[in-house]
Amino acid sequence: GAGVSQSPSNKVTEKGKDVELRCDPISGHTALYWYRQSLGQGLEFLIYFQGNSAPDKSGLPSDRFSAERTGESVSTLTIQRTQQEDSAVYLCASSTRTGLMYFGPGTRLTVT
Amino acid sequence: QKEVEQNSGPLSVPEGAIASLNCTYSDRGSQSFFWYRQYSGKSPELIMFIYSNGDKEDGRFTAQLNKASQYVSLLIRDSQPSDSATYLCAVTNSGYSTLTFGKGTMLLVSP
Repeated sequence: GAGVSQSPSNKVTEKGKDVELRCDPISGHTALYWYRQSLGQGLEFLIYFQGNSAPDKSGLPSDRFSAERTGESVSTLTIQRTQQEDSAVYLCASSTRTGLMYFGPGTRLTVT
Repeated sequence: QKEVEQNSGPLSVPEGAIASLNCTYSDRGSQSFFWYRQYSGKSPELIMFIYSNGDKEDGRFTAQLNKASQYVSLLIRDSQPSDSATYLCAVTNSGYSTLTFGKGTMLLVSP
């Protein structure tokens, strides 16, 4: 498919464990974003990658959260020592140079 | 801090009516404006974008932008029950590429 893909689609983990979420952006999209959405809430910006520039990490809620991107392709979001408040849907998106942003299907994270 | 405000709704309209969804934003430097539709349990889907003052039409959807008043709206003509979803307004400025999203307006179209 030509869309943004994310894996896993669902992840259940125990409090205190680390998790890694993966995003494959649309080919040719230079920008990649991570957002999260808690149940019934709006979208919360986490981090933004643009080409080889330093990422904008201003939305990461704590130092337990980190993300990496390899060139202009795959990105991984890592949450260390997960807490129950980390439970949410984590959405990845990529965009064209004109700013049209397309979202992946998301990863639903549940911390028990 | 950039803010995007939307009425949370729900906005209820009968099938066949025009649904009007509104959004205001705080950053006068905002340059690009987007509307996303999000069905329950799904990720947001881009449905409209507008960059210039005025109207932009695409099928049953019309986006309206008024930069002087700092508002953007989405009109859905001949609303269908399948249009029932949450509509997210998103805004970006020329110097900062991330989108700021509103919390969304829930639209309910009754048959």
